[in-house]
Amino acid sequence: EAGVVQSPRYKIIEKKQPVAFWCNPISGHNTLYWYLQNLGQGPELLIRYENEEAVDDSQLPKDRFSAERLKGVDSTLKIQPAELGDSAVYLCASSLDQEGGELFFGEGSRLTVL
Amino acid sequence: AQSVAQPEDQVNVAEGNPLTVKCTYSVSGNPYLFWYVQYPNRGLQFLLKYITGDNLVKGSYGFEAEFNKSQTSFHLKKPSALVSDSALYFCAVRDASGGSYIPTFGRGTSLIVHP
Repeated sequence: EAGVVQSPRYKIIEKKQPVAFWCNPISGHNTLYWYLQNLGQGPELLIRYENEEAVDDSQLPKDRFSAERLKGVDSTLKIQPAELGDSAVYLCASSLDQEGGELFFGEGSRLTVL
Repeated sequence: AQSVAQPEDQVNVAEGNPLTVKCTYSVSGNPYLFWYVQYPNRGLQFLLKYITGDNLVKGSYGFEAEFNKSQTSFHLKKPSALVSDSALYFCAVRDASGGSYIPTFGRGTSLIVHP
C-alpha cells in the first residue's frame, strides 16, 4: 500500500514569491492534516480536513496561507507571498476517522525562503 | 487544553544498553498517547500507542512504553539499544474525551546510540 505522498520534497524561493505543496493521502483515509515543523521542534498543526471540509484551521495564517482539498482526496497548501520566516518543513499526514487512530506522515516538503 | 513535555533534548546511550526517552502529558480527560520516530530528512513514523487496557504497550522495532496515570507519563523504552535507533523521537497526546482528532506533539528528543 502506498504511503502519504508529498511534493516537492525541496523548494527554494525568494521572499514574496508564491509556493504550493501537494499531498496525496493514503487511500481511504478521510482525515488529512497539514503540519508545520521548524528545526528542532515538534510538528504544529496548520489545518485539518474531514473529507472536503476544513474543520480545524485556527492556526493557519489566513492572510498568506490557503489550503484546499477538492473531492476529499488530494490537498494543496499555498503560501502567497512567502516570507523569510516561512522556511520550514511542511508535513502532510492522514488517518482513518476512528478513535485513537495514529497519523501516517509523508516525507515532508522543505521550504527555504531567501 | 492538552500538552506534552519531553524534558530531555538529547539522550545518549551505548549500544546494547537499555534506553528510556521520557514523556509527560496533560489532558482534561483520559489520554490517547503516541510515540513517533523521525529519521533525518524523513517524515514521522508511528511506533506505538496507548488507547486503553494494559499499561505496557509494545510497538515496532522492539520499543515499548509504559502508561502511568498517576505520574501522567508515557516513557518510551527499549531493553537493548542499536546504533540504528539513533533518531528524533516525538511523544504526542490527544484527549480521548474531546471531539477533536488533533494530537499535540512534544518538542522531540534526539536519541544518540554510541557504538
